[in-house]
Amino acid sequence: GDSVTQMEGPVTLSEEAFLTINCTYTATGYPSLFWYVQYPGEGLQLLLKATKADDKGSNKGFEATYRKETTSFHLEKGSVQVSDSAVYFCALAHTGRRALTFGSGTRLQVQP
Amino acid sequence: ETGVTQTPRHLVMGMTNKKSLKCEQHLGHNAMYWYKQSAKKPLELMFVYSLEERVENNSVPSRFSPECPNSSHLFLHLHTLQPEDSALYLCASSQEVQGSPPQHFGDGTRLSIL
Repeated sequence: GDSVTQMEGPVTLSEEAFLTINCTYTATGYPSLFWYVQYPGEGLQLLLKATKADDKGSNKGFEATYRKETTSFHLEKGSVQVSDSAVYFCALAHTGRRALTFGSGTRLQVQP
Repeated sequence: ETGVTQTPRHLVMGMTNKKSLKCEQHLGHNAMYWYKQSAKKPLELMFVYSLEERVENNSVPSRFSPECPNSSHLFLHLHTLQPEDSALYLCASSQEVQGSPPQHFGDGTRLSIL
C-alpha cells in the first residue's frame, strides 16, 4: 500500500536559518503530493501541492519539488521565522481517490 | 475563518457516556471526512462521505458512528469509548472534481476518555 515517510522531529532552527524537511513516498502510479501545516491548537492547512513529476509547489516562501526518480517531495524555505513554528505533514493522494495518506509529521521549532 | 467549524473544541467523557461531535462546512463542498490524530502516529482516515453517502469506512470500531444529514454537516456519534480513543478528531471537506482536490480541515475536537 501507499506510505509517506518524514524525517523525525523536532527540528530546531534559529530565525533566518535554511529549512529542509525530508519526505519520501511509496506509491503506485503518479500520485499528487501535498504539504500541510498545523499550527498549535489548529487544524491542518494546505501549504502547497504538486500534481506531476518535476512540478514545484510554492507558498509563503516554502517550496517543494516533485521528484519521481527519488520518490521525494522535500520541503524547503530559505529563511525561517518564529511564526513558522508548527507541525508539517507530507501527504499523497491518487487521482480520482479521496483519501489522503499522511506522514507522521515533523515538528519545527524556530528560536528568535 | 477556516470554513470548516468543529464543536466542541474539547470534550471529556467517561467510558459509558454517549456524546456527539459536530462538523459544519461553509465552503459549498460535497465531500466530508473524519480523521483521528493520535500522538506520534500519522493521521488516520476514519470515514468519507460523498454527496451524503458513506463511501469509505476504514475498519473503524462500531463505537464510532458517523452521520451526514446534508452536504454541510457531519456528525460523529460516540458511545462506550475506550481510553485509547483519546485523540484529536479532525473533520475535513473537499469538492469532488477530477484529480486530487485539497482538503480543508477544521480545528478539531480534543477528546479525552476517563
